[in-house]
Amino acid sequence: AQRVTQPEKLLSVFKGAPVELKCNYSYSGSPELFWYVQYSRQRLQLLLRHISRESIKGFTADLNKGETSFHLKKPFAQEEDSAMYYCALKGGSNYKLTFGKGTLLTVNP
Amino acid sequence: ETGVTQSPTHLIKTRGQQVTLRCSSQSGHNTVSWYQQALGQGPQFIFQYYREEENGRGNFPPRFSGLQFPNYSSELNVNALELDDSALYLCASSLVPGNPGNTIYFGEGSWLTVV
Repeated sequence: AQRVTQPEKLLSVFKGAPVELKCNYSYSGSPELFWYVQYSRQRLQLLLRHISRESIKGFTADLNKGETSFHLKKPFAQEEDSAMYYCALKGGSNYKLTFGKGTLLTVNP
Repeated sequence: ETGVTQSPTHLIKTRGQQVTLRCSSQSGHNTVSWYQQALGQGPQFIFQYYREEENGRGNFPPRFSGLQFPNYSSELNVNALELDDSALYLCASSLVPGNPGNTIYFGEGSWLTVV
């Protein structure tokens, strides 16, 4: 079975502070991990995926298979980062995404 | 703009009725998936269609059914609506399912309220 846990429903930081959104997963094989973001009144969109090992909008995420985690990090949060963030998993050749419940990030001025 | 379009954007139905939601996939995408997102929850996979056939299904009852057309657009049908079916229904399109390089693009969703 696939499971994604985002332990924080809400996260509030000040502009310029570091931010870390936690994601833990449960999957017996080799997963693909993703972070999706939903800004206010916009559609769900891909932020980054672990296989790309890229940094998007200053965000990075490293897959830690030992801790089964894929935490999203940014060293200096910006007000425009305020949004709902979802961690998602796709298992091997599986066709579906399994999402966590999401973390609402608020960056205060 | 991702190109996945859904209609209608909002609708209200009465318990027991039937509803059809529609989705046009991004140009060139032959795979369409549907997700249900209840308030305060992450999206939950309903099913996927690839080349007009159901390619996988989540934990949803048979009264949730779908279709994919030759132009890859898709419909989600829900019969005998229940109050708990009230949710945002998301359509997502991609290329060949299971390919690690694929990006999945989401539509803006259809908000269904069952009263």
